[in-house]
Amino acid sequence: DIQMIQSPSSLSASVGDRVTITCRASQSITGYLNWYQQRAGRVPKLLISAASTLQSGVPSTFSGSGSGTDFTLTISSLQPEDFATYYCQQSYTTPLTFGGGTKVEIK
Amino acid sequence: QVQLVESGGGVVQPGRSLRLSCAASGFTFSDYALHWVRQAQGEGLQWVACISYDGNYEYYADPVKGRFTASRDSSKNTVYLQMNNLRTEDTAVYHCARASSPFGTAVAGIYAFDFWGRGTVVTVSS
Repeated sequence: DIQMIQSPSSLSASVGDRVTITCRASQSITGYLNWYQQRAGRVPKLLISAASTLQSGVPSTFSGSGSGTDFTLTISSLQPEDFATYYCQQSYTTPLTFGGGTKVEIK
Repeated sequence: QVQLVESGGGVVQPGRSLRLSCAASGFTFSDYALHWVRQAQGEGLQWVACISYDGNYEYYADPVKGRFTASRDSSKNTVYLQMNNLRTEDTAVYHCARASSPFGTAVAGIYAFDFWGRGTVVTVSS
């Protein structure tokens, strides 16, 4: 199975901060990488697909990059509604696997 | 608008069975593969199973292979997850999620889970 390792597992940040979350795959997944946001008590929401494609309606403060084994989700200016847990997920091969999540908390 | 509504969860003893349902609306049901993803309380997301858009292909995570079966009924716009021989480690919220690309038959590919249901709670306990 492909392991997806996210770092950090949690972080504290302030509104307006730039935040970077990394996701590393245990083997190359080319660009088959998606990012989701899950607010407390809510269902996951797709933010970015195929490593860097921003979904319709997602603020442009979110961006994704990377290929192969190393990927990054960046929030350029953290907003109050961005405090949530973020998950990466590979769709390169079965079984589909998720990272363990990164919880973004208010400093 | 796309909607996925799960039902069928409950409290069951280890070794028993449950059948989950996911009723879909707001899109052409027969064009999309659908997946089941679970989340234990306070834990992360775990992919469970997938059924292709035409129902001809099914894929399962190793922990559920041989115990869970996915199916779909296009006349009812519903997918099902038959869960047999349940274990305590199957306790979770089970979400139905749509694959973003239509006509998917392979479990892997350039797609994501673009719509999710709110989930149904399965508790396996003696």
